Amino acid sequence: AQSVTQLGSHVSVSEGALVLLRCNYSSSVPPYLFWYVQYPNQGLQLLLKYTTGATLVKGINGFEAEFKKSETSFHLTKPSAHMSDAAEYFCAVSEGAGNMLTFGGGTRLMVKP
Amino acid sequence: KAGVTQTPRYLIKTRGQQVTLSCSPISGHRSVSWYQQTPGQGLQFLFEYFSETQRNKGNFPGRFSGRQFSNSRSEMNVSTLELGDSALYLCASSLGDRAQGEKLFFGSGTQLSVL
Repeated sequence: AQSVTQLGSHVSVSEGALVLLRCNYSSSVPPYLFWYVQYPNQGLQLLLKYTTGATLVKGINGFEAEFKKSETSFHLTKPSAHMSDAAEYFCAVSEGAGNMLTFGGGTRLMVKP
Repeated sequence: KAGVTQTPRYLIKTRGQQVTLSCSPISGHRSVSWYQQTPGQGLQFLFEYFSETQRNKGNFPGRFSGRQFSNSRSEMNVSTLELGDSALYLCASSLGDRAQGEKLFFGSGTQLSVL
């Protein structure tokens, strides 16, 4: 069975600092990997996804993630945090037919001025 | 193009009642998925429908059911409500033309409170 672990339920950074949100997954087959963001009182929005090919994936709003098979990781980074990045971030994995996602527990990102 | 629309936005029910939530996907999308979000359990997959057929099912009791209509609109029903069913229920749609790994578009959810 697949699972997703997000290390750190809360992460706080200063505006302009590097953002690093960690995600590790377990999967018996090469997975599809996703990062979604959720702003207060809203649904989830896709930041980026990894399917196959290039291991460094670029997403929206300056975010990117690197797929490392040997480490079963898919960490999310952004070089410089902005106040508008404050939200909850979810890593997810999908395997098998269809669009069933298994989500990590989420990481709430706080950005200090 | 309109996004995923979920109705109602808020719902208050009492234990033992049943509830029906509605989801209208983005026009042209044929796959609709449902997720339950709670502070304790996080985001959990309920089921996915594609072309009116259930394609995947999560690990929820039979009190949770769903269906999809020919216009791709979907409903989920929860019977005999329990306090633990209080949650944000999110619907997501996708084109459905790929076997897997599609981008999901989420609605804003229905916040269900069971008293």
